[in-house]
Amino acid sequence: EDKVVQSPLSLVVHEGDTVTLNCSYEVTNFRSLLWYKQEKKAPTFLFMLTSSGIEKKSGRLSSILDKKELFSILNITATQTGDSAVYLCAVVIRRGADGLTFGKGTHLIIQP
Amino acid sequence: DTAVSQTPKYLVTQMGNDKSIKCEQNLGHDTMYWYKQDSKKFLKIMFSYNNKELIINETVPNRFSPKSPDKAHLNLHINSLELGDSAVYFCASSQEPGQLWRHGYTFGSGTRLTVV
Repeated sequence: EDKVVQSPLSLVVHEGDTVTLNCSYEVTNFRSLLWYKQEKKAPTFLFMLTSSGIEKKSGRLSSILDKKELFSILNITATQTGDSAVYLCAVVIRRGADGLTFGKGTHLIIQP
Repeated sequence: DTAVSQTPKYLVTQMGNDKSIKCEQNLGHDTMYWYKQDSKKFLKIMFSYNNKELIINETVPNRFSPKSPDKAHLNLHINSLELGDSAVYFCASSQEPGQLWRHGYTFGSGTRLTVV
């Protein structure tokens, strides 16, 4: 069975800290990995990673994929209270249009 | 200008009823999806659909059925609602695989279904 595991499940840090969120996967026919941020409503797209070792960056957020060890990390530097959210990792499997397989998310809380 | 819109946003209904949730996307995407998010925030795919193919997650009860009148719409019908159906249901859409890197999958804002 395809599996996506995120850790930690929850994390509380102070503003200004740097955090690293982890996502490991065991799937057949891996195609790509996506990161989403979910606050109150819809998940919003952060990154899509397909190739190993190529870092994607957007402001204070960055992410990288290791296809040999089957994991990805999402880094957030200089955290702000607005970064508080659930961060979701999902995998696209090469098996037709059957969507995303999600992990259970990391609930990140940034304290002032 | 909402990209993926769902209605209603909230739905409270009694056990045994039949209900529908509507979804529309104006992105010109080829594929649409329904996801269920439980109380622990775990998102799980229910269906994916494009013009050619409906793929059903085998764990979804057959009380749930997607209906697509055209490429821009994918509605979710639920018969004989049960307490365990209470969740947030998200509609999503995606472009052809070569364009996923731009926007990923785009989600609607969700429909919170409460069965009492």
